Amino acid sequence: AQTVTQSQPEMSVQEAETVTLSCTYDTSESNYYLFWYKQPPSRQMILVIRQEAYKQQNATENRFSVNFQKAAKSFSLKISDSQLGDTAMYFCAGNAGNMLTFGGGTRLMVKP
Amino acid sequence: DTGVSQDPRHKITKRGQNVTFRCDPISEHNRLYWYRQTLGQGPEFLTYFQNEAQLEKSRLLSDRFSAERPKGSFSTLEIQRTEQGDSAMYLCASSPSYSNQPQHFGDGTRLSIL
Repeated sequence: AQTVTQSQPEMSVQEAETVTLSCTYDTSESNYYLFWYKQPPSRQMILVIRQEAYKQQNATENRFSVNFQKAAKSFSLKISDSQLGDTAMYFCAGNAGNMLTFGGGTRLMVKP
Repeated sequence: DTGVSQDPRHKITKRGQNVTFRCDPISEHNRLYWYRQTLGQGPEFLTYFQNEAQLEKSRLLSDRFSAERPKGSFSTLEIQRTEQGDSAMYLCASSPSYSNQPQHFGDGTRLSIL
């Protein structure tokens, strides 16, 4: 069984600033992947970044990086130099076997 | 690569009717997944296929829900005798067959039950 929890329903950030979205998870799997997906309003869900649980190094993709704390079962997303196009719902997800388990999402608003 | 395609984008129907949604995955992807997303929530896994084989269907919400992928390419999700609570976005995703690869999502089909 796997659970994913996002404790921040909504967040806002000023354009060009940095914001961190929180996620905690619980799993009985020893080998798993964690993902952050972005879902802009009325648009499809797209992958932002992924982390392999057995890798200690935190994943980075341009302005997006994660802070993966395996012992604490924490997987936060940091967005640097926020842009207006980052406004979206952000979902944390874990892959246990072949299904993704999603958190409830965080609505991020980037303000000009 | 045209991405995952879903049809229709929006379906409005009366309670009690049957509905069928179609998903065309990315052509080289062997795995195809169906999720349901209700307003303000994260997607909820329903079922998935490896080629034409349906390998997990215990998460389908009731026996009114069924899915097929007869030739290992496109898939259909059918809901029989629709109920108000079936109103949601139905998402399809696909991925390569090696494990833990990212899933690529379609735009979804929004179902509204009158």
